[in-house]
Amino acid sequence: EPEVTQTPSHQVTQMGQEVILRCVPISNHLYFYWYRQILGQKVEFLVSFYNNEISEKSEIFDDQFSVERPDGSNFTLKIRSTKLEDSAMYFCASKFAGGPDTQYFGPGTRLTVL
Amino acid sequence: EDQVTQSPEALRLQEGESSSLNCSYTVSGLRGLFWYRQDPGKGPEFLFTLYSAGEEKEKERLKATLTKKESFLHITAPKPEDSATYLCAVPQEGTTDSWGKLQFGAGTQVVVTP
Repeated sequence: EPEVTQTPSHQVTQMGQEVILRCVPISNHLYFYWYRQILGQKVEFLVSFYNNEISEKSEIFDDQFSVERPDGSNFTLKIRSTKLEDSAMYFCASKFAGGPDTQYFGPGTRLTVL
Repeated sequence: EDQVTQSPEALRLQEGESSSLNCSYTVSGLRGLFWYRQDPGKGPEFLFTLYSAGEEKEKERLKATLTKKESFLHITAPKPEDSATYLCAVPQEGTTDSWGKLQFGAGTQVVVTP
């Protein structure tokens, strides 16, 4: 069964460093998302991406964040200068169609900023 | 204002003891409600999508129902492997990619003991 994959599973970084989180969405999906979940809190939307551009972003997704689909299979989230408060689980999700289609989530990357 | 509220926050069940989880929402013009299961340290795993009041869906010991104001996830004769956090989510209102921008509830943590 196709699934969303994410690497690495755990990333530890120093405050101020850049990190890139990688995702491989389900192969025929067209819509891509990043969410995050701070420990003990709700899953929060960060950004949606369709047709090679951002279609929606949350207030959390400031200039320190960027997303890219560098090729036909990968979808990345870059945090330019990490802060302590960026420590969270980051989930990639994808769906095939527009409208109320189901989003499928990856296993997540745990980001720890020291 | 929160659009998705789940109750109870936590539920402890004996194996075989059926129960229901609640998800209430305040969005107008519901465009789908999604149930996910989340195990500790993992990504949300899709369970059900409900689109209109009166709709019901079943999978093994789980049954999801939807009214105009809330959704219920019924767990019938649960087993220890049903222990997880159950999340519901709705597409957020008033956004350009509103179908994709999911707003999650805080979840109900279910523990099933043998």
